[in-house]
Amino acid sequence: GESVGLHLPTLSVQEGDNSIINCAYSNSASDYFIWYKQESGKGPQFIIDIRSNMDKRQGQRVTVLLNKTVKHLSLQIAATQPGDSAVYFCAEEGGGNKLTFGTGTQLKVEL
Amino acid sequence: EAGVTQFPSHSVIEKGQTVTLRCDPISGHDNLYWYRRVMGKEIKFLLHFVKESKQDESGMPNNRFLAERTGGTYSTLKVQPAELEDSGVYFCASSQDGNEQFFGPGTRLTVL
Repeated sequence: GESVGLHLPTLSVQEGDNSIINCAYSNSASDYFIWYKQESGKGPQFIIDIRSNMDKRQGQRVTVLLNKTVKHLSLQIAATQPGDSAVYFCAEEGGGNKLTFGTGTQLKVEL
Repeated sequence: EAGVTQFPSHSVIEKGQTVTLRCDPISGHDNLYWYRRVMGKEIKFLLHFVKESKQDESGMPNNRFLAERTGGTYSTLKVQPAELEDSGVYFCASSQDGNEQFFGPGTRLTVL
């Protein structure tokens, strides 16, 4: 897949456990943040987003937390399933719809 | 509804040759974006079209890259002449209102 040659941080979790993936962003002016999931051979797929006027947003099994003070974003996945195995990217938008991506984290779910 | 499609899925060319990548956005999406991930690095923005106009091309690496979106529908990204460092995966994304961007599967370009 696209991760060849790219040494990604890896998070290994047991099926059923909760996963927490962290991301540090760089632009304090960014006002929109997104988490993407990328499976092998596919493009990034939108998971959840959050705007800078919020510090938490929940979706189905996923929660995004935003800490603007330390420019930190996290993605929490509840009851992690084998289908959650993928590379997860955070992205920030500082205006003009241009996304700036983080390096990604490989999530591996062990049975 | 069909998602964003890209063609080809994989292209292998020699240094100095020309390659043209195509992106078909989701029907009705005015916003179209090109991104790429080169080896060992993160996904980076190349440019953004609104309909047929280039809204932001600040990420285009050099003048060997030419993007077009004639008629405001599909877009092409041409690399001429290709260099070794152009190898990577090129993603296209589209959005209706400038918010959620839907990504295509990418084109893997290998320059030998």
